[in-house]
Formats: sequence, C-alpha cells, structure tokens
Amino acid sequence: KAGVTQTPRYLIKTRGQQVTLSCSPISGHRSVSWYQQTPGQGLQFLFEYFSETQRNKGNFPGRFSGRQFSNSRSEMNVSTLELGDSALYLCASSPSTGGADTQYFGPGTRLTVL
Amino acid sequence: AQSVTQLGSHVSVSEGALVLLRCNYSSSVPPYLFWYVQYPNQGLQLLLKYTSAATLVKGINGFEAEFKKSETSFHLTKPSAHMSDAAEYFCAVSEGGGSEKLVFGKGTKLTVNP
Repeated sequence: KAGVTQTPRYLIKTRGQQVTLSCSPISGHRSVSWYQQTPGQGLQFLFEYFSETQRNKGNFPGRFSGRQFSNSRSEMNVSTLELGDSALYLCASSPSTGGADTQYFGPGTRLTVL
Repeated sequence: AQSVTQLGSHVSVSEGALVLLRCNYSSSVPPYLFWYVQYPNQGLQLLLKYTSAATLVKGINGFEAEFKKSETSFHLTKPSAHMSDAAEYFCAVSEGGGSEKLVFGKGTKLTVNP
C-alpha cells in the first residue's frame, strides 16, 4: 500500500497570506489527524477528521481550519499567516477501528512564513 | 488530561553501547503508549506500541520498551547502538475515548559516536 502523501513538501509564504495543505491517507484509512511541529513547542495536535467530520480539535486559533472529503483526503488551511506559523505540518492517518490504532505519518509539509 | 515527559533532550552513546531513552506518562485512563522515530527532514515512523497486552513490547530495529504501571514509565531500550540509530525519538500517549489524538513528549535526540 502507498503511504500517507502530503503536498506540497515545501512552501514559502509571506505574512498575511493564506495557505492550503493537502493530505492523502493510506487507502482504507478513515481518520486523518494534523500536527504542527516546531522547535519550541514540539509536536502539537491540530485536529482530527473522521468520515468528513471533525472529531477532535487542539488549542489553535480559528485561523487554522481543516476539512475532509468523502474519499478521506484532507486539507488544512491557515489564513492570515504569522511568522510563528512557520513549522513542519504533519498529517497522519489511521483505520480508526476504535482500538489503539497506529497512526501512520506522512513526510510533512515544511511551511516558511517570511 | 494525558501528558508525556521525556527525560533528556539529548542523549549521546557510543556505537555498540546500550541505548536508554526515558519516558514517563500521565493518564487518567489505561494508556496506549507509542514510540516514534524521526530522521532528518522526514515524518514519524512507529517503533513500537503498548496496548495493554504484554508489558514488554518489541519493536523494529531491535528496540523494545517496558510498560511499568507503578512507575508510570515506558522507557525505550536497545542493547547495542548502531550509527543508523541516530535520530530524534518521541514518546506519545493516545488520548483514547474514540479519538486518535496523540500527545507527544518533547523528543530526545540520540547521537551515536563511532
């Protein structure tokens, strides 16, 4: 099976712009989670989608949003970018069968905000 | 709320020496615990997970971890370090309750000296 894919891999934006990142989960996986990784804060949970519904949300401002499509692909959007949004954004997918499913991570999108 | 503490942000060992990376967790429910590894410019790869079966869990690349409820610990070990083990290691606890959210520790960067 193909792994989790994320596009684009690298992105450079300027303050005030908005950005959309894409994640394609492993075939058959219905849950997609997003994480932000920065040197200062480490890995922080953004949100999780399951069957096109947001199931859980982390402590991020409303500028961060996401959605999931019927084929389980997911996008996250950040509006009005700030310098502090520079980070590696990781997407993870899991079958979500109700147990301790393993989350499989993609390679990430490296966002740089200038 | 779940939390994870990784003792030691940097650990340095000699090739062939024992690797010990420490992780303590806090959880209000029986935890599901994970160790992930991240190589430079890559996503996270699962090393092993504990899901309330055997307390000694064996993972990939010769790593193993022991769940100790009395000490709320889940330390990662490998008997003999290899140069290719140099990477950053993250301990995580699953929030459970139907969510796939993972709460990560701050990570431990492992250096292996020749």
